[in-house]
Amino acid sequence: EPEVTQTPSHQVTQMGQEVILRCVPISNHLYFYWYRQILGQKVEFLVSFYNNEISEKSEIFDDQFSVERPDGSNFTLKIRSTKLEDSAMYFCASSAGGISYNEQFFGPGTRLTVL
Amino acid sequence: DAKTTQPNSMESNEEEPVHLPCNHSTISGTDYIHWYRQLPSQGPEYVIHGLTSNVNNRMASLAIAEDRKSSTLILHRATLRDAAVYYCILRVDSSYKLIFGSGTRLLVRP
Repeated sequence: EPEVTQTPSHQVTQMGQEVILRCVPISNHLYFYWYRQILGQKVEFLVSFYNNEISEKSEIFDDQFSVERPDGSNFTLKIRSTKLEDSAMYFCASSAGGISYNEQFFGPGTRLTVL
Repeated sequence: DAKTTQPNSMESNEEEPVHLPCNHSTISGTDYIHWYRQLPSQGPEYVIHGLTSNVNNRMASLAIAEDRKSSTLILHRATLRDAAVYYCILRVDSSYKLIFGSGTRLLVRP
């Protein structure tokens, strides 16, 4: 069964450093998303991406964040200058077009630890 | 965003049906009702969704009240693997984002 994959599974970085989290969505999917979950808290929507542009973003997704689909298969989330409060599990998700876009498939997540 | 209310936790015995309730009294006519679940240390997983009519799939059934102000996710035969946090989410038709609440933590007893 096709699945969303994410790398790395765990990323440790120093405050102020840039990180790039990578995702490979399911191959025929058209809609892509990033969510995050701070330990013990709710899953929070960050951004959705369709047709090579951001379609929606939350208040969390400020100028420090960016997304890109550089090569037609990968979907990346970049955090330019990490803060302690960016420590969280980051989930990538994708969904197909048409009426199937209702079903979002989530990856296993990348745990980001900012020291 | 319309709000949903779910019990914090529920318990069930293995191989028995489970009914997980969700109240969404402020739902609007174009809001879809989605259910996702999150198993321990995993990403969320789609369970089912509906708009007005009851829905069935291989994982569960979704019963939607006639006034759409509440819904119930039905797991017909709970297994230990169904122990997870279950989220009831309203999604506006014009939006792709899922707004997760605190969900219901389901404990399945062997």
